[in-house]
Amino acid sequence: GAGVSQSPSNKVTEKGKDVELRCDPISGHTALYWYRQSLGQGLEFLIYFQGNSAPDKSGLPSDRFSAERTGGSVSTLTIQRTQQEDSAVYLCASSSVGGPDTQYFGPGTRLTVL
Amino acid sequence: TQLLEQSPQFLSIQEGENLTVYCNSSSVFSSLQWYRQEPGEGPVLLVTVVTGGEVKKLKRLTFQFGDARKDSSLHITAAQPGDTGLYLCAGPVPNTGNQFYFGTGTSLTVIP
Repeated sequence: GAGVSQSPSNKVTEKGKDVELRCDPISGHTALYWYRQSLGQGLEFLIYFQGNSAPDKSGLPSDRFSAERTGGSVSTLTIQRTQQEDSAVYLCASSSVGGPDTQYFGPGTRLTVL
Repeated sequence: TQLLEQSPQFLSIQEGENLTVYCNSSSVFSSLQWYRQEPGEGPVLLVTVVTGGEVKKLKRLTFQFGDARKDSSLHITAAQPGDTGLYLCAGPVPNTGNQFYFGTGTSLTVIP
């Protein structure tokens, strides 16, 4: 596809379960971001991948959160032992060079932890 | 502590009215971006401003970057229902090179 895609679009899980969220960036984009957006809030930076460099994980809120990017393309955000406060929309964005460049966002995954 | 403060938080106006929303910070930014986000979608970039005092126009939208590069405004002329959405400003976090800080947004509703 031409844009950033994310799956699933919606995820409902029980407290304590692990979840995996997937992001397919635009082909050829070397930079990939994950953000979290709580209801009515702005975007909270989580993690940044750029090419083969070590990711910037400084935005991850706890060690229950991790992310990987395989082959410089698809990325997976994993949340272990989910808590109710993890409920939010998780957005992925990619850009061609990173830094202050145009970020193209996916539609997000809405996570609800019961 | 919010690095980027946006105001107002909510705005509901009639079609045809003009409006201005603001993005303010106590920090200097090398650039600021404005995005619009519609329900169920990710944000879409509208404009990037990089020079203090810069004014950019995008049809009925006028963006201004403050002289000191600490604030920005978005003015919409003759608002239309299609302008409804969440308007977010964002800027690169100083000394990171790759992180972006987003404001909390202004939720705009244009009533037909």
